[in-house]
Amino acid sequence: AQKITQTQPGMFVQEKEAVTLDCTYDTSDPSYGLFWYKQPSSGEMIFLIYQGSYDQQNATEGRYSLNFQKARKSANLVISASQLGDSAMYFCAMREGITGGGNKLTFGTGTQLKVEL
Amino acid sequence: DVKVTQSSRYLVKRTGEKVFLECVQDMDHENMFWYRQDPGLGLRLIYFSYDVKMKEKGDIPEGYSVSREKKERFSLILESASTNQTSMYLCASRNQQNTEAFFGQGTRLTVV
Repeated sequence: AQKITQTQPGMFVQEKEAVTLDCTYDTSDPSYGLFWYKQPSSGEMIFLIYQGSYDQQNATEGRYSLNFQKARKSANLVISASQLGDSAMYFCAMREGITGGGNKLTFGTGTQLKVEL
Repeated sequence: DVKVTQSSRYLVKRTGEKVFLECVQDMDHENMFWYRQDPGLGLRLIYFSYDVKMKEKGDIPEGYSVSREKKERFSLILESASTNQTSMYLCASRNQQNTEAFFGQGTRLTVV
């Protein structure tokens, strides 16, 4: 079974509009963390935002926010006021297990976002 | 502002060669990881290490080994490179609190 599912292989959005990238996850562990990364065409993976399973508030970092719905096991990334530079591949990832070493990150297959004028 | 550095951006090797991919981080992180990324498959974990000289297999360890002699350095070794190991290889390190994880710039390896 897929632990991280990103159902949108590609998305288009107009500049200055908001866009939501979907991510659902599957775990029975009560303690876990969710990450979002951006990968531009140059290849580097850029860490965007983190949400812990016990965090009461949705995480926000500048124009990025994470819409965390624990009961639905979803962790969607919302990008507000899209810019041309936001065009990239976006990956959702999950870390299971209690705080400590040895817990791997499992990634989804990614969503390619294209921002248009 | 460099945090995780991989030794090569592009690499071309011959089938059967022994290949070393090096990764260094300057954040004093305990946890380090090697992934490979292939189109349509996302990132798949090869090996990870949670301390010096400690290592664990990830999802696709076959054909690879790793070495972690110092905390800041995590090496991926292809004992005998094969064409199906042509891929993008990404190194990552993560803090002990598991709240942030940074990647290197990636090494695009081609085995001919």
